[in-house]
Amino acid sequence: EVQLVQSGAEVKKPGESLRISCKSSGYNFDTYWIAWVRQMPGKGLECMGVIYPGVSDTRYSPSFQGQVTISADKSTGTAYVQWSSLRASDTAMYYCARQTANCSRTSCSPDFDYWGQGTLVTVSS
Amino acid sequence: QSALTQPPSVSGSPGQSVTISCTGTIEDVGSFNRVSWYQQSPGTAPKLMIYEVANRPSGVPARFSGSKSGNTASLTISGLQAEDEADYYCSSYSSFSTLGVFGPGTKVTVL
Repeated sequence: EVQLVQSGAEVKKPGESLRISCKSSGYNFDTYWIAWVRQMPGKGLECMGVIYPGVSDTRYSPSFQGQVTISADKSTGTAYVQWSSLRASDTAMYYCARQTANCSRTSCSPDFDYWGQGTLVTVSS
Repeated sequence: QSALTQPPSVSGSPGQSVTISCTGTIEDVGSFNRVSWYQQSPGTAPKLMIYEVANRPSGVPARFSGSKSGNTASLTISGLQAEDEADYYCSSYSSFSTLGVFGPGTKVTVL
């Protein structure tokens, strides 16, 4: 059974750093793209970026480029997203999701068949 | 601002059919059969309901169906049930966006 299990909720202060995780099981982690998706309170879904763990090929949405870092550890089957300096506007639910299809050289398709349960990040002074 | 357009809400009585539209452009919905639909109930993660315009993943009830005409994709729920009350999001591959595009979501209310 494919599962993506995310780390627990976080409460942080502005300026602090954070890394949240997404541990996979039930499939070959190396051969599927993993996405991180943000959902701000009461808002819709935004794909922040994707990573192909096999070769650590990483793509970012322009809105998130330079704001977060996505990584993956093949040895543990775990994907990560991290912030070096959080802002109040980073308060959101964050989901990891497995992408069904490969990305082309330039683009990816937001087709996600399995999702983590979400990690709520609250940034407040 | 989302790249795809969806109505904010639709509603129907149990047993009725409702259709949610997802309008894009020739750069996304109109040129590619990579449209997906997700259902999100309150407090839960999104769930894939339709992929590649009209395909249902295993376990998704047959009352959910997808279609596309021109730049507009549609999700139809036939025989609406109380458990279908949720937010529904469409997404599409896009030649202009590295990671594709999402719609803003539609809230389905079962009266």
